[in-house]
Amino acid sequence: DTGVSQNPRHKITKRGQNVTFRCDPISEHNRLYWYRQTLGQGPEFLTYFQNEAQLEKSRLLSDRFSAERPKGSFSTLEIQRTEQGDSAMYLCASSFGRGQGNEKLFFGSGTQLSVL
Amino acid sequence: AQTVTQSQPEMSVQEAETVTLSCTYDTSESNYYLFWYKQPPSRQMILVIRQEAYKQQNATENRFSVNFQKAAKSFSLKISDSQLGDTAMYFCAFMKGANAGKSTFGDGTTLTVKP
Repeated sequence: DTGVSQNPRHKITKRGQNVTFRCDPISEHNRLYWYRQTLGQGPEFLTYFQNEAQLEKSRLLSDRFSAERPKGSFSTLEIQRTEQGDSAMYLCASSFGRGQGNEKLFFGSGTQLSVL
Repeated sequence: AQTVTQSQPEMSVQEAETVTLSCTYDTSESNYYLFWYKQPPSRQMILVIRQEAYKQQNATENRFSVNFQKAAKSFSLKISDSQLGDTAMYFCAFMKGANAGKSTFGDGTTLTVKP
């Protein structure tokens, strides 16, 4: 297994356009997380899935954002009607979590979004 | 809500020297976990070390060790024998409960190891 894979690495779009990012987690991992990271700041939690169920969404995730993990494997994050404030690195991470506190996160390399 | 503060935006160290990165946090929780993550210029973040709050013994991983002061809510990372490959951004993170992915991250410290 090559780890968590994210595509594309970079995305440039015009304001108002829709964009979709994909994350392929490590195959046996049941949990998948999305984060947003802006320059000079740490990652901010957006949402997470346990298998195919989306269990929590941050208040940062406005109505323009939607995430899916249809078969409990890969996940997509879509941003509709992009705004310049959406420009950021979008990180995905996966883990095998049993709720015992020994969970280890594996991160992808991220998708850098630039909204012009 | 938990907050994590890294007061050193940038640090540098000479190769083979020791450097300490600071982190403080604020929480009313008694059961939690603390992490240091490394994010090299390639941007893929990796876990460096973790500490369970209920353990008094400081965690160590090879050249990396922590100084966990629970009462002071301080969690510093010491890197011994610094190597050029240690150049990266380092994030301190706090996890409440048992879901690592919902950690609160600090804003990071950029560490440069100089030859």
